[in-house]
Amino acid sequence: NAGVTQTPKFRVLKTGQSMTLLCAQDMNHEYMYWYRQDPGMGLRLIHYSVGEGTTAKGEVPDGYNVSRLKKQNFLLGLESAAPSQTSVYFCASRLGLVTTSSTDTQYFGPGTRLTVL
Amino acid sequence: AQSVTQLDSQVPVFEEAPVELRCNYSSSVSVYLFWYVQYPNQGLQLLLKYLSGSTLVESINGFEAEFNKSQTSFHLRKPSVHISDTAEYFCAVKPDTGRRALTFGSGTRLQVQP
Repeated sequence: NAGVTQTPKFRVLKTGQSMTLLCAQDMNHEYMYWYRQDPGMGLRLIHYSVGEGTTAKGEVPDGYNVSRLKKQNFLLGLESAAPSQTSVYFCASRLGLVTTSSTDTQYFGPGTRLTVL
Repeated sequence: AQSVTQLDSQVPVFEEAPVELRCNYSSSVSVYLFWYVQYPNQGLQLLLKYLSGSTLVESINGFEAEFNKSQTSFHLRKPSVHISDTAEYFCAVKPDTGRRALTFGSGTRLQVQP
């Protein structure tokens, strides 16, 4: 049971390049999230998904796209990277069932450090 | 919508001293409350959470937090800190129903000095 994994761990892009960040979870969670972490701003939600085939915008969605073709994977895409997207990106997942409050815990991946030059 | 305020961006403290990290939130609905810890170059780990029941919750490594509904606070405390507690601590809230994600505070960096 690996939990939540993210690839790659580090990446440097030039302005205008594209890339995809992969998040995978092996806990059979329904809900998955992408956050970005910037100094002094905590974590901000980019996009999220409440199940396979569904996605929704979070707090800061501009410049990003996501896909959830398989339940265990949640992809974050940057079509044309900008320096403002330099950040640390975290993926998280949650069981999603509302039957008990104990399932209401998000588990985080180790992060991807992205630099856009 | 919810918001979380962590007033202290950095808290320096000597080893074995007590510490309190402050967290205040605002929300128009009932919420769950969380503290996450991030050690250097790592992801976030859940430290403790308040979902319902007793307003005082504890973690396995000696931290505790108390939910105060009237003051909309969820301050994190530890009576005696260790060097290994040096990390960034994030307070977060989420509505107690629905599909919403966590809303995080800006974080407090705890620096434990020998």
